[in-house]
Amino acid sequence: GQQLNQSPQSMFIQEGEDVSMNCTSSSIFNTWLWYKQDPGEGPVLLIALYKAGELTSNGRLTAQFGITRKDSFLNISASIPSDVGIYFCAGQLKTSGSRLTFGEGTQLTVNP
Amino acid sequence: DTGVSQNPRHKITKRGQNVTFRCDPISEHNRLYWYRQTLGQGPEFLTYFQNEAQLEKSRLLSDRFSAERPKGSFSTLEIQRTEQGDSAMYLCASSLEGEQYFGPGTRLTVT
Repeated sequence: GQQLNQSPQSMFIQEGEDVSMNCTSSSIFNTWLWYKQDPGEGPVLLIALYKAGELTSNGRLTAQFGITRKDSFLNISASIPSDVGIYFCAGQLKTSGSRLTFGEGTQLTVNP
Repeated sequence: DTGVSQNPRHKITKRGQNVTFRCDPISEHNRLYWYRQTLGQGPEFLTYFQNEAQLEKSRLLSDRFSAERPKGSFSTLEIQRTEQGDSAMYLCASSLEGEQYFGPGTRLTVT
């Protein structure tokens, strides 16, 4: 089955630093999404990407849909303590009406 | 609040008991998904409804699991004869088009 490799598994950074994480797949996806999950809660959608090569921003977050459609990255600029959490990438084969395949997550810790 | 809601938030049950979880999607969303998440992993797909039709099931959904969405609105996920390996967070998501929005999850602990 499809697998998403997400890296790094964890990051420890100082407040104000920029962060980058990425996701690669053995097969093509037509949509990439990035979610953030806090302990005991469901994932919260951060950014959705629909076209290969697309670069999308949401505040301090920027994500890109790789040209090959097999990868995506997420950047967080000027990190703040509330950025702490687990970040998941997810790929979707069809734009609508299909399952998400998730990576294993990147645990982000921000030291004030 | 018009987000996805799930009840109960936590459930502790003894092995062998049946449990049922409920998901209320965002009101105008016609697609509803169930996922399972174990500690340290990303969510794994279980099943998917478009309106009341169950269109896809994962091999993770053993014959002890059943899901329904009788009127195309809320959905229930039932696990019969629970096993300790069923302990996990059960997440529901809904969508109108591509973007899936998740509820807070139901944490199941089987003792």
